[in-house]
Amino acid sequence: GAVVSQHPSRVICKSGTSVKIECRSLDFQATTMFWYRQFPKQSLMLMATSNEGSKATYEQGVEKDKFLINHASLTLSTLTVTSAHPEDSSFYICSAKTTGRGNTIYFGEGSWLTVV
Amino acid sequence: AQSVTQLGSHVSVSEGALVLLRCNYSSSVPPYLFWYVQYPNQGLQLLLKYTTGATLVKGINGFEAEFKKSETSFHLTKPSAHMSDAAEYFCAVSGRDKIIFGKGTRLHILP
Repeated sequence: GAVVSQHPSRVICKSGTSVKIECRSLDFQATTMFWYRQFPKQSLMLMATSNEGSKATYEQGVEKDKFLINHASLTLSTLTVTSAHPEDSSFYICSAKTTGRGNTIYFGEGSWLTVV
Repeated sequence: AQSVTQLGSHVSVSEGALVLLRCNYSSSVPPYLFWYVQYPNQGLQLLLKYTTGATLVKGINGFEAEFKKSETSFHLTKPSAHMSDAAEYFCAVSGRDKIIFGKGTRLHILP
């Protein structure tokens, strides 16, 4: 099974609503998780770094009030897209960093968000 | 700061031929280097990684990569391509913190 699990894998929401995506590390504790966004046929763009128990660090150009990240436990981080618009439609991928396996970063399966 | 350059956004090889995907990096600290593969509409799967030690790293599916510090390279190779290798490949570098990705190389396998 996947080391890092994302849910939901696909979600459709109406414009103006909020949607939450969960990222769980299944067999290890992750003090640091990362959220990426990937547009079709493009590379991954790091959105933010999430540290357990503290505020997320956002990359330049990413709206922190729009993309709310919570890392409440060592195995769970959530990304909430608030007041979603069609241009937020994208593939969102989370990853979690291990400390006991050579600092490897494992990725979730990704979540397709479509805003209609 | 770290950065990654993948040479060639598309690479085509014949089935059974050698696969070579190029990756050059820059890093202000000793880097951790990774290769990931992404199949259509899926997340990323770790192929292999270099942290310390042996510079030739073997990964899954017959892939391997060699860390060459003098050339700041971490090229990915596979002796014999298989149709199932067709995918997007991402090279990435981490300086102990966040991981930065290259733009990816789409590998096409010709029958």
